[in-house]
Amino acid sequence: EAQVTQNPRYLITVTGKKLTVTCSQNMNHEYMSWYRQDPGLGLRQIYYSMNVEVTDKGDVPEGYKVSRKEKRNFPLILESPSPNQTSLYFCASSLSIGDRGPNYGYTFGSGTRLTVV
Amino acid sequence: TQLLEQSPQFLSIQEGENLTVYCNSSSVFSSLQWYRQEPGEGPVLLVTVVTGGEVKKLKRLTFQFGDARKDSSLHITAAQPGDTGLYLCAGWAGGGADGLTFGKGTHLIIQP
Repeated sequence: EAQVTQNPRYLITVTGKKLTVTCSQNMNHEYMSWYRQDPGLGLRQIYYSMNVEVTDKGDVPEGYKVSRKEKRNFPLILESPSPNQTSLYFCASSLSIGDRGPNYGYTFGSGTRLTVV
Repeated sequence: TQLLEQSPQFLSIQEGENLTVYCNSSSVFSSLQWYRQEPGEGPVLLVTVVTGGEVKKLKRLTFQFGDARKDSSLHITAAQPGDTGLYLCAGWAGGGADGLTFGKGTHLIIQP
């Protein structure tokens, strides 16, 4: 089944304890992206990657890191989590990006609900 | 950063009624997409519109892209409880854009 898999689905952690949220897609998609979803603020892009070893900041990158060493994986790293990073996180992928945007749209993972106390 | 304003924010109607959800911006978008998100899941793509004035139909759902490519609407005919969910519009600005810009969504509840 074609899908984007995020792990874990739920995570409660303490301030300052480094964590990684994994994202893997099995569709050979070039483009991958991380979003956070907060009430009243909607979905906001954190980082994105056009292809292997090509990553760039989105609208809210502070406090996050990413890497794209393989085409299928795009982990999100929080080096020192803080309570304001409590949120619902989504990884998304797209086959490619054309002049009109993502060809065939984004495929989203099921989300990771992170709580930082 | 381009903004997409969705209205209404919340909508609760009875089964069988019709409804329209709006997505507006002051910016021009190369394309616009509509997604539906259910609780505990990620958004799922419904449709992409790319041409000003374009109309696409998906069963009881009709999507329209404004002539100037700054706005879009989603019309649902004879709504059913299965239509309940969060509807999100998302635009691609083009010209070096790096990702989809999402509206905050319309929470739709269809009561039996």
